[in-house]
Amino acid sequence: GNSVTQMEGPVTLSEEAFLTINCTYTATGYPSLFWYVQYPGEGLQLLLKATKADDKGSNKGFEATYRKETTSFHLEKGSVQVSDSAVYFCALRIERSQGNLIFGKGTKLSVKP
Amino acid sequence: ETGVTQTPRHLVMGMTNKKSLKCEQHLGHNAMYWYKQSAKKPLELMFVYNFKEQTENNSVPSRFSPECPNSSHLFLHLHTLQPEDSALYLCASSQEGLAEETQYFGPGTRLLVL
Repeated sequence: GNSVTQMEGPVTLSEEAFLTINCTYTATGYPSLFWYVQYPGEGLQLLLKATKADDKGSNKGFEATYRKETTSFHLEKGSVQVSDSAVYFCALRIERSQGNLIFGKGTKLSVKP
Repeated sequence: ETGVTQTPRHLVMGMTNKKSLKCEQHLGHNAMYWYKQSAKKPLELMFVYNFKEQTENNSVPSRFSPECPNSSHLFLHLHTLQPEDSALYLCASSQEGLAEETQYFGPGTRLLVL
């Protein structure tokens, strides 16, 4: 079946530290991959996406590269800020599916000043 | 205009009440979704509407009743809920058929059932 596995949280970092949140997937087709972010008290916002192997999605200093050989889509940021504190969700969508997203369980990030 | 709006943002209801959640999308999309987000559980897809037709119902109890009168509006009618239904209910929309179809989410309705 199709599934997404994220590293367990919470992740606590100091400001300006390097961030990596691991995400691996299992898919029967050719998925598009997404990272969504949920700030406290809000809904999900699309952070970045990649639709084919070796694509790199980037936004607000965050990056993730679609690695087909390792079935991964790890999220990285070189220098986190307090305002990056949120829950991060990795998700996949299978091409020509209903359009449904399959989400990971989410990883909570707390950045301390 | 914000892409996907939801009202109310917060709702407290008793188990015998009837209430409705509203979602509106201003993106010109043709598909809309309801998700449930409970504490410590993955996001659960509840319903999918494509061109106003319900195309998926993920074994959701009948106390949740969706309605999609047009491609821009989606409702979730609630009646005789249980305390375990307390959660954040998220609406999303997308344009089905695009190669790079992406779902856009509303801010959610935080529901508490007493």
